[in-house]
Amino acid sequence: GQSLEQPSEVTAVEGAIVQINCTYQTSGFYGLSWYQQHDGGAPTFLSYNALDGLEETGRFSSFLSRSDSYGYLLLQELQMKDSASYFCAGRKGGKLIFGQGTELSVKP
Amino acid sequence: EAQVTQNPRYLITVTGKKLTVTCSQNMNHEYMSWYRQDPGLGLRQIYYSMNVEVTDKGDVPEGYKVSRKEKRNFPLILESPSPNQTSLYFCASSPKNTGELFFGEGSRLTVL
Repeated sequence: GQSLEQPSEVTAVEGAIVQINCTYQTSGFYGLSWYQQHDGGAPTFLSYNALDGLEETGRFSSFLSRSDSYGYLLLQELQMKDSASYFCAGRKGGKLIFGQGTELSVKP
Repeated sequence: EAQVTQNPRYLITVTGKKLTVTCSQNMNHEYMSWYRQDPGLGLRQIYYSMNVEVTDKGDVPEGYKVSRKEKRNFPLILESPSPNQTSLYFCASSPKNTGELFFGEGSRLTVL
């Protein structure tokens, strides 16, 4: 079946760098997206990789290697407000498959 | 303001009483979709629509119906709700063939 695997929890300190990995078990994804969700809120878009390589948007970067079925989200200069859940998502046609999410806790 | 609007935001209902959750977007997006979010299971796609009058099943379509008569609206219909449909529901839209989804604020549904 189609699935995306992420670590369930990650903890880091303010100011640090953290990497959240996403591996997937299916072929044919058009690309990999990343979303942030604060408790009880709507997911918000962070980044999208249509092609292999690194995409940088401010403090957030995302990487994709389609040959390795692997991607990651890199968060730099962590702030307390970055404490949230992060989801990777792969799109195949109109179908969108989400990973189960990684809960990031940023400590002072 | 560009947005996706869902209604109702909160609803408590009883088993078997038909309900509709509306979703409207003002960004002229072709693609719209519905998700449910349950603890430990992440976001799972219920239905999606690539354009007007074009809808298709996602991963968990059982017990749900949708329609796409106009580009801006994509209602989710629960003909006979059951307690296992108690969940947080999100509607989302995006321009065609992009990886960026715009989500509504969510609708928390409880079926007793």
